[in-house]
Amino acid sequence: DTGVSQDPRHKITKRGQNVTFRCDPISEHNRLYWYRQTLGQGPEFLTYFQNEAQLEKSRLLSDRFSAERPKGSFSTLEIQRTEQGDSAMYLCATSPRSGKGYEQYFGPGTRLTVT
Amino acid sequence: DQQVKQNSPSLSVQEGRISILNCDYTNSMFDYFLWYKKYPAEGPTFLISISSIKDKNEDGRFTVFLNKSAKHLSLHIVPSQPGDSAVYFCAALPASASKIIFGSGTRLSIRP
Repeated sequence: DTGVSQDPRHKITKRGQNVTFRCDPISEHNRLYWYRQTLGQGPEFLTYFQNEAQLEKSRLLSDRFSAERPKGSFSTLEIQRTEQGDSAMYLCATSPRSGKGYEQYFGPGTRLTVT
Repeated sequence: DQQVKQNSPSLSVQEGRISILNCDYTNSMFDYFLWYKKYPAEGPTFLISISSIKDKNEDGRFTVFLNKSAKHLSLHIVPSQPGDSAVYFCAALPASASKIIFGSGTRLSIRP
């Protein structure tokens, strides 16, 4: 399968712990996005990378959140000192250089539960 | 502030009939409007788009209509099939931006 992959698929953590999620894009997709989805809502944009450069961050991305894409391939999203309000599905999406930016390919997501 | 709104959380349609999903938006600066489809345990998948300068785009059984004066768009699926049962997200892309703004979704159920 050559789609976007995310790891882990599920994560349960205690409040105050740090967690890190990984996203592996479709090969040669240079644009990478992170979204967060809570129950009953659509995905909300968190941040955008073009290659290794982080070009846009939402105000939703507090100081406890950090994202990296060190070599322009896979990306990680870290949440420090997790809070119960961080419980959500975290989705990664990618799109190709030549494509229309709105046609984004989503991974299956990482479901985070903070207890 | 919800810039893209889907006011119907769910819709049930008989197989073979037309499904109409509705969406309203508040920002006149959107460049493209989109529909994404999501099955359980999968990420959303792109379905169809429409440029803000068009009023209709058709792709097989799927047609999207845009009414700019009413700030309203709709997705028509005809004929509806069991595999169309999913959550449909209306979404929009602002001009010169990369982030997609999604609505809250409508769960479509196709009944036999």
